[in-house]
Amino acid sequence: GQQLNQSPQSMFIQEGEDVSMNCTSSSIFNTWLWYKQDPGEGPVLLIALYKAGELTSNGRLTAQFGITRKDSFLNISASIPSDVGIYFCAGQPGGTSYGKLTFGQGTILTVHP
Amino acid sequence: DAGITQSPRHKVTETGTPVTLRCHQTENHRYMYWYRQDPGHGLRLIHYSYGVKDTDKGEVSDGYSVSRSKTEDFLLTLESATSSQTSVYFCAISENREMGAFFGQGTRLTVV
Repeated sequence: GQQLNQSPQSMFIQEGEDVSMNCTSSSIFNTWLWYKQDPGEGPVLLIALYKAGELTSNGRLTAQFGITRKDSFLNISASIPSDVGIYFCAGQPGGTSYGKLTFGQGTILTVHP
Repeated sequence: DAGITQSPRHKVTETGTPVTLRCHQTENHRYMYWYRQDPGHGLRLIHYSYGVKDTDKGEVSDGYSVSRSKTEDFLLTLESATSSQTSVYFCAISENREMGAFFGQGTRLTVV
């Protein structure tokens, strides 16, 4: 099946620092999504990207849909303690199967006050 | 996640026993999905449904079956549970491209 490689696997940063993570795929996706998961909860959608080259922001979060359609990046600026969690990228193929997603392995983010 | 309820939230079962997990939605969304989450693997799609009585296999469907007799309910059945099916199971719903998939709170299943 399709593989998404997400990096880094984990990050330990100080509050106020910026964070970058990325995902690469062996296949093309028509949509890239970024989710955050808190302990004991399901993933929550942060940002959705629909077009190659698209750059989208949601507060302190910015994500980009790679030109090749095989990668995506997520940046978090000025991190705060509540940013702690696991961040997942997900790719969605074309067609109408909107929730049929391939997920990366996740990036565990720890923010030290 | 107010529109999705998974039950049970936690379950311990013995190897070889059948297990059914339930996903109930109040959003009237057409598409429903079952994922499993394991360390180092992210979330992987087990089965999905396009509508009532319309289901299809995902990436890791072996050992699982599903049924959807009503729009609001999507059942996942492990016919004979194995230790490799110990995992956290998430139900998701979707209606349009903009929402991606909307996840429930998960069911933690332990097979001993």
